Amino acid sequence: QVTLKESGPGMLQPSKTLSLTCSFSGFSLSTSGMVVSWIRQPSGKSLEWLAAIDWDGDKYYNPSLKSRLTVSKDTSNTQVFLKITSVDIADTATYYCARSSVMPSYYFDYWGQGVMVTVSS
Amino acid sequence: DTVLTQSPALAVSPGERVTISCRASESVSTLMHWYQQKPGQQPTLLIYLASNLESGVPARFSGSGSGTDFTLTIDPVEADDTATYYCQQSWNDPTFGGGTKLELK
Repeated sequence: QVTLKESGPGMLQPSKTLSLTCSFSGFSLSTSGMVVSWIRQPSGKSLEWLAAIDWDGDKYYNPSLKSRLTVSKDTSNTQVFLKITSVDIADTATYYCARSSVMPSYYFDYWGQGVMVTVSS
Repeated sequence: DTVLTQSPALAVSPGERVTISCRASESVSTLMHWYQQKPGQQPTLLIYLASNLESGVPARFSGSGSGTDFTLTIDPVEADDTATYYCQQSWNDPTFGGGTKLELK
């Protein structure tokens, strides 16, 4: 059974660094072709893909946010991390991690429940 | 970025057939996927690669299209289908449509 679960600080102040963790089971990120992505959704709005890391450790970023994002994984291939620097109120959203395969089959078949992050002073 | 455009909302009666459209700003071949999202929940995959039904998804859902124009069809619509539906392309960096909110009359 594939499951993913996000965790994060809940609330943080503008200009700080947001650190998120995606813990997953039921699959291994060491399996060829496997990818874990981060996707966010502001309340009442659509979805925005942020970043991804694949089984080989290659990293992919949304060009519009690339300068602020860092994605990484742990050596046991059961957790993926995302850091967003210099957060702003516009970064307030629910953040999801999701599993996919590599391009072009880059569709998300399993999602975590999401973690809500509020940026506020 | 490939921009995906969806109609914002639809209202149908249970038992009817509904089509939800998604138009891409450039050709994405058949690299289009559809998700359902109910309030307070994460999205769930319905259709991948334009027309393939995800395992466990009722056969009432189907997808079609290629190039720039895609359609998600629900036939017949049931009360439980009240949700927002998103398209997503994987021709290049993933992008999502704005979502179509489906309401039942």
